[in-house]
Amino acid sequence: NAGVTQTPKFRILKIGQSMTLQCAQDMNHNYMYWYRQDPGMGLKLIYYSVGAGITDKGEVPNGYNVSRSTTEDFPLRLELAAPSQTSVYFCASSYSDRGKETQYFGPGTRLLVL
Amino acid sequence: RKEVEQDPGPFNVPEGATVAFNCTYSNSASQSFFWYRQDCRKEPKLLMSVYSSGNEDGRFTAQLNRASQYISLLIRDSKLSDSATYLCVAPSRRTGRRALTFGSGTRLQVQP
Repeated sequence: NAGVTQTPKFRILKIGQSMTLQCAQDMNHNYMYWYRQDPGMGLKLIYYSVGAGITDKGEVPNGYNVSRSTTEDFPLRLELAAPSQTSVYFCASSYSDRGKETQYFGPGTRLLVL
Repeated sequence: RKEVEQDPGPFNVPEGATVAFNCTYSNSASQSFFWYRQDCRKEPKLLMSVYSSGNEDGRFTAQLNRASQYISLLIRDSKLSDSATYLCVAPSRRTGRRALTFGSGTRLQVQP
């Protein structure tokens, strides 16, 4: 299993540009998440999904969109990049085992908006 | 009040020392907690879950104190490889049962 994969690893955007951060998992997990992590800070939840076709907002959804057309993929879209979106973005997936849940993270995408 | 609060550190300890971190949480209804480890510029990885009865895995022990609403992580016989940031994680009250809230992390530096 590749686990959770993310592309690209690093990207520089100009203000106002758009891009899609890709996330895929091959563990057949129903739950998937997008987080951002600013320097020296914890992870903040952007969006999450409990299954194909179902998405919901997290703590900091403004400026982002997501879709979940398949179990495997959960892309994150930035429509109008702003300097405040400079961050490291982590995708995660999880399963529930007898009520206990473990999240597995991808390696992250570093985004710089100038 | 933040949902999860941690002392950012850094905790600088010599090899072989025992070190403990605490983390407080605000959602008294929370049932499951976790400690994640994050190395510099890497993704978080699950270190251990925290059960109401406590949890021990080798040199690592996690405890839950519901009355005072904190969880702890004890590391015995610290190794250089334990140097990392340790993230305390609790269920999010704001965004639903499935979401987790991560603390800002406690940085540990083990020195030779």
